[in-house]
Amino acid sequence: DGGITQSPKYLFRKEGQNVTLSCEQNLNHDAMYWYRQDPGQGLRLIYYSQIVNDFQKGDIAEGYSVSREKKESFPLTVTSAQKNPTAFYLCASSAGVLNSPLHFGNGTRLTVT
Amino acid sequence: GNSVTQMEGPVTLSEEAFLTINCTYTATGYPSLFWYVQYPGEGLQLLLKATKADDKGSNKGFEATYRKETTSFHLEKGSVQVSDSAVYFCALSEPGGATNKLIFGTGTLLAVQP
Repeated sequence: DGGITQSPKYLFRKEGQNVTLSCEQNLNHDAMYWYRQDPGQGLRLIYYSQIVNDFQKGDIAEGYSVSREKKESFPLTVTSAQKNPTAFYLCASSAGVLNSPLHFGNGTRLTVT
Repeated sequence: GNSVTQMEGPVTLSEEAFLTINCTYTATGYPSLFWYVQYPGEGLQLLLKATKADDKGSNKGFEATYRKETTSFHLEKGSVQVSDSAVYFCALSEPGGATNKLIFGTGTLLAVQP
């Protein structure tokens, strides 16, 4: 079955360490997205990519970085510059056609202490 | 800027009760509107969508009508089940945009009791 795989499901890191969250899709989608979910705040867009080797900042990109070297993969690095990194991170993809739905992975819960 | 406002939860209902979750939006132009559902510990799934005024989206007994005059997209279901317990998100796609970036509301937790 086609879908989006995020790994790991739970991730724990010490403050000051960079950490990379994995996102892989086999839906042949052009566009991929990273959202952050915090209680009471809904989802906020971190970065998105419409095509390989290209990506744009979303609303809360500071302290994060991404790469899009392959169509299937869109890893997110949470750097030590991110002031409040503990959150639930969701990766999504879409066909890239306007109004095509987003397909979400099951998320990674990152805890930084 | 563009935004989505949802009624705050939690919404607690008994099985077979009628459900309404309010959603209003602010946007320049004519966005497409979506409802997504998130079950515990999972990502979001598309529930239904509407792409123009007066369109009605429907799926699994849920319905929502795109009302341009009231800038609303309220979610309704005639008879909820325990399995409908989840967080529901209203979202819009930025009008005129070339991408499918979505702006989400804060989510409404629905708890259905047997």
